[in-house]
Amino acid sequence: SQTIHQWPATLVQPVGSPLSLECTVEGTSNPNLYWYRQAAGRGLQLLFYSVGIGQISSEVPQNLSASRPQDRQFILSSKKLLLSDSGFYLCALKKGSPLHFGNGTRLTVT
Amino acid sequence: DQQVKQNSPSLSVQEGRISILNCDYTNSMFDYFLWYKKYPAEGPTFLISISSIKDKNEDGRFTVFLNKSAKHLSLHIVPSQPGDSAVYFCAASGPSSGTYKYIFGTGTRLKVLA
Repeated sequence: SQTIHQWPATLVQPVGSPLSLECTVEGTSNPNLYWYRQAAGRGLQLLFYSVGIGQISSEVPQNLSASRPQDRQFILSSKKLLLSDSGFYLCALKKGSPLHFGNGTRLTVT
Repeated sequence: DQQVKQNSPSLSVQEGRISILNCDYTNSMFDYFLWYKKYPAEGPTFLISISSIKDKNEDGRFTVFLNKSAKHLSLHIVPSQPGDSAVYFCAASGPSSGTYKYIFGTGTRLKVLA
C-alpha cells in the first residue's frame, strides 16, 4: 500500500531561519506529489505539485520552494521563514487513486 | 478567488441523526469531486468521490449528491456517530484546474453530540 512519511511532526523555528521539510513515499513509483498548507482558519491551499523528478509547479508565489531530487522524495524549503509561514504542511501523492495525504508537519514560526 | 466554497464553518448534530455538509463551486469545468475527513494533527483521509456524470454516490453511511446546474454538492452522513466528529473538506478537480490539481474548500467542522 502507498505510504507517506513526513518529518518532523512538529517544528518551531524563529523568523528568518531556513526550513527544510522532507516527504518520502513508499509502495508506488512515479507518483504525482503535492505540498499543501492548512493555515489557521483556512482551507487546504495547494503550494506545489510535481509530476516527475525535477518537475515542480508552483501555485502560489511566496517565500517557499520545492524540489524533487528523487522519484519518491519531495522537499519543501525556505531560505528565510516569515511569521506568515506558520501552518500545517501536508505532503500528498496521487497514483491512480484519489489524493493520499501524509500526517503533516505543524510549523510554528516565532 | 475561492473556486470551492464551504460556507458553513461548523455544524452540530445529535448522534443518530443526519449530518448534511454542503459545498459550492464556481467553475463549471470541474468534473470530479471528493470529500475528505480530517482529525486534528493528522492528514485528511479520503471518504467518497463523485464524477460529474453521476448525481449520487453512496458508500455505507456516506452519500454524496451532485447538482451540476446549481454547482453544488453535499455529503450526507446517516446515522451520525460521535466518531464522525472531524473537519470535512470538499475538493474539486477537472480540466480547468489542471489535470493534476485538486482545489479544496475551507472545511466544515462537524460535531456529533452523544
